[in-house]
Amino acid sequence: ETGVTQSPTHLIKTRGQQVTLRCSSQSGHNTVSWYQQALGQGPQFIFQYYREEENGRGNFPPRFSGLQFPNYSSELNVNALELDDSALYLCASRGSGPGTDTQYFGPGTRLTVL
Amino acid sequence: TQLLEQSPQFLSIQEGENLTVYCNSSSVFSSLQWYRQEPGEGPVLLVTVVTGGEVKKLKRLTFQFGDARKDSSLHITAAQPGDTGLYLCAGETDSSYKLIFGSGTRLLVRP
Repeated sequence: ETGVTQSPTHLIKTRGQQVTLRCSSQSGHNTVSWYQQALGQGPQFIFQYYREEENGRGNFPPRFSGLQFPNYSSELNVNALELDDSALYLCASRGSGPGTDTQYFGPGTRLTVL
Repeated sequence: TQLLEQSPQFLSIQEGENLTVYCNSSSVFSSLQWYRQEPGEGPVLLVTVVTGGEVKKLKRLTFQFGDARKDSSLHITAAQPGDTGLYLCAGETDSSYKLIFGSGTRLLVRP
């Protein structure tokens, strides 16, 4: 186990709805990244948060947004869901400073959009 | 656009056979990581290579980083059914904060 937890495990939504996914980072990790993994593909970077600020974003539209809280837990929000948003959403946490390059992934949330 | 191409996409082999998975890019990476992912789980880090030409061994797994830091390989000796899974390579650049993943190699080792 990596110490990174995500909720919920599975989620089914319909087109146009909004969804919030949650991630609890490993203790002491102040950086969290979110990835989208479509079926049969590798994960694609959505964005990263460091100390509650977004400090990097991938090629995803603004309806993908996030938050990081003082305890370093994080949320991924997706508005106006589309069918192509169906995927496994992964969060990964890491620390900062020497020897903290490793990202630890959670088990993911499987989102199905109907 | 930085891309990592993995090959093969699928591999089905008999227990005891050897195999090699390749990860190639036209971009230079400051480090390259290999992950294994089981169904219903997130990727788990196997190794990180950072120096061009570096070779790392993890039991029956051997990882190599190309001299130019644009490619990498994973070699498994005497594969076992427990090696079955999705193998992902991921690169990180000096100026980047994100991991760029390959599309993965799905390995099935038959008893």
